[in-house]
Amino acid sequence: DAKTTQPNSMESNEEEPVHLPCNHSTISGTDYIHWYRQLPSQGPEYVIHGLTSNVNNRMASLAIAEDRKSSTLILHRATLRDAAVYYCIGNGGSQGNLIFGKGTKLSVKP
Amino acid sequence: DAGVTQSPTHLIKTRGQQVTLRCSPISGHKSVSWYQQVLGQGPQFIFQYYEKEERGRGNFPDRFSARQFPNYSSELNVNALLLGDSALYLCASNLAGGPFDNEQFFGPGTRLTVL
Repeated sequence: DAKTTQPNSMESNEEEPVHLPCNHSTISGTDYIHWYRQLPSQGPEYVIHGLTSNVNNRMASLAIAEDRKSSTLILHRATLRDAAVYYCIGNGGSQGNLIFGKGTKLSVKP
Repeated sequence: DAGVTQSPTHLIKTRGQQVTLRCSPISGHKSVSWYQQVLGQGPQFIFQYYEKEERGRGNFPDRFSARQFPNYSSELNVNALLLGDSALYLCASNLAGGPFDNEQFFGPGTRLTVL
């Protein structure tokens, strides 16, 4: 499983874009990159995942570097409800085994 | 649609006791995973079950055990509780349709406090 490195914390202003970086230099060619977030007092929530190409969904965009050693989660317009801990996870496609790190705590200021 | 449900919400036990936590997956999901989340840390994988068979196990002692029932619900048992077992225990389900189908749906967790 790929080890991931994220900043401990980041701050953003409401309605501005947020770019959350993640390094996963040991990732293998078959490892998907997953992002989850955990709001206070809740279980983690799936955000997005991808393999090689950039991915978009209703919550966010995922930009994956060409060498796949890093990726960036993009929240296009941060809201106060986006304040959470964001986890970047690289794993080997195991059916249930996610390896969480400490994640990035995102604070959003009004 | 109902999400993943867990019971109880909170639990207080004393050292040496045993505890059973319960999880009901989303309807149609055949895979259930358990995670332990200590305060300030990310969740740590404990077990994964699929079709009542253990598919994976994390680095936890034998005091931790689990099982999955024919309706795909699951129980996590912890024996001889230690103070360090105090944590949020999370259950997650997914379709387990293949290596790409990896979106996990988490429940709200059970907060276990060991005194």
